[in-house]
Amino acid sequence: AQTVTQSQPEMSVQEAETVTLSCTYDTSESDYYLFWYKQPPSRQMILVIRQEAYKQQNATENRFSVNFQKAAKSFSLKISDSQLGDAAMYFCAYTSISGNDMRFGAGTRLTVKP
Amino acid sequence: EAGVTQFPSHSVIEKGQTVTLRCDPISGHDNLYWYRRVMGKEIKFLLHFVKESKQDESGMPNNRFLAERTGGTYSTLKVQPAELEDSGVYFCASSQGGRRYGYTFGSGTRLTVV
Repeated sequence: AQTVTQSQPEMSVQEAETVTLSCTYDTSESDYYLFWYKQPPSRQMILVIRQEAYKQQNATENRFSVNFQKAAKSFSLKISDSQLGDAAMYFCAYTSISGNDMRFGAGTRLTVKP
Repeated sequence: EAGVTQFPSHSVIEKGQTVTLRCDPISGHDNLYWYRRVMGKEIKFLLHFVKESKQDESGMPNNRFLAERTGGTYSTLKVQPAELEDSGVYFCASSQGGRRYGYTFGSGTRLTVV
């Protein structure tokens, strides 16, 4: 069964610095998609970044980038130049081509210190 | 474009009572998903609608949960009778192109059963 593990329940970063959130997953599939979602205190989850497993190039979206290591089944999120507005719960998610749902990790709460 | 709307945002009910959660997806999104997050744990899939049809309801915990999507527009999730372990945040999400592009989530309904 596919599982997603986020081993850091909480992380903290100083404003303007860089932080990396970890995510690993378990799957026997070769083709799948990975996501990072952000849930600010207002509670609506927002898609931050998406990675297609068959693409070797790491996805980037402005200050957000991923380090996708397919062989290691690792999908970490790097936030550069952290801002106060980045404070949120971050969820890593996986979905396969053949499956019918998206699997989420337990989340990492990110605090940004001014 | 209006986002995914869920209401109520918060509900507190007594054990044994009935609660109905509502989700209005983005107009035109055929796919509608329900997820639940129990405190501190991962977000878990409940079910998936394609238009008015249940595509997958394998995540529904038991027969006290009933989901409907009449006319393929909004969806309701009824819990009857509610138990203490049903407490959590219930998220609704919708997508047009399926899960591989990520979902648009609502803000969730925080259900507390006392």
